[in-house]
Amino acid sequence: DIQMTQSPSSLSASVGDRVTITCRASQSISTYLNWYQQRPGKAPKLLIFAASSLQSGVPSRFSGSGSGTDFTLTISSLQPEDLATYYCQQSYSTSMYTFGQGTKLEIK
Amino acid sequence: EVQLVESGGGLVQPGGSLRLSCAASGFTFSSYDIHWVRQVTGKGLEWVSVIGTAGDTYYPDSVKGRFTISRENAKNSLYLQMNSLRVGDTAVYYCARASFGGFRGLIPYFDYWGQGTLVTVSS
Repeated sequence: DIQMTQSPSSLSASVGDRVTITCRASQSISTYLNWYQQRPGKAPKLLIFAASSLQSGVPSRFSGSGSGTDFTLTISSLQPEDLATYYCQQSYSTSMYTFGQGTKLEIK
Repeated sequence: EVQLVESGGGLVQPGGSLRLSCAASGFTFSSYDIHWVRQVTGKGLEWVSVIGTAGDTYYPDSVKGRFTISRENAKNSLYLQMNSLRVGDTAVYYCARASFGGFRGLIPYFDYWGQGTLVTVSS
């Protein structure tokens, strides 16, 4: 099975900061990597698909990059509404999708 | 507007069974793969199953042989039959629609999710 490891597990940043979350796959997954945001008490929401494609309606301050085993989600200027947990997901193995363990983002 | 609405959650004893439903609207249900994903309170997301447009199904080892996913396209509905339930199956269960994009349109991603239904397995 493909394992997904996110870092950090949690972070605290100030409004306006640039925030970076990384995700590493246990084997190459090309660009079969998606990012989701889960606000407290809500269902997950798709942010980025195929490593770098911004989902319609998602603010442009969110961006994704990477291929192979190493991926990054970047928030260019943190906003208060970005308080959430962020998950990466590999969809390379379509008989066994896996998520990262999540990164909890707090606002200072 | 695309909507997915789960139902059927509740309290069940260990070893018991439960059937979850997911009602879809706002899109051509039969044309999409649909997934179940669960989340233990305060923990991360765990993929549970998928059913393709042709009825093909996949499960992780943690639920294989105990859970069965099915769909009824005429009713725009997805189901998850859960048998031999364990305390560890306690979670919020979400259904999610899969779309495809990226390189050659082959990369799946979950673009719409339901609000979830809580399953509690306890004696």
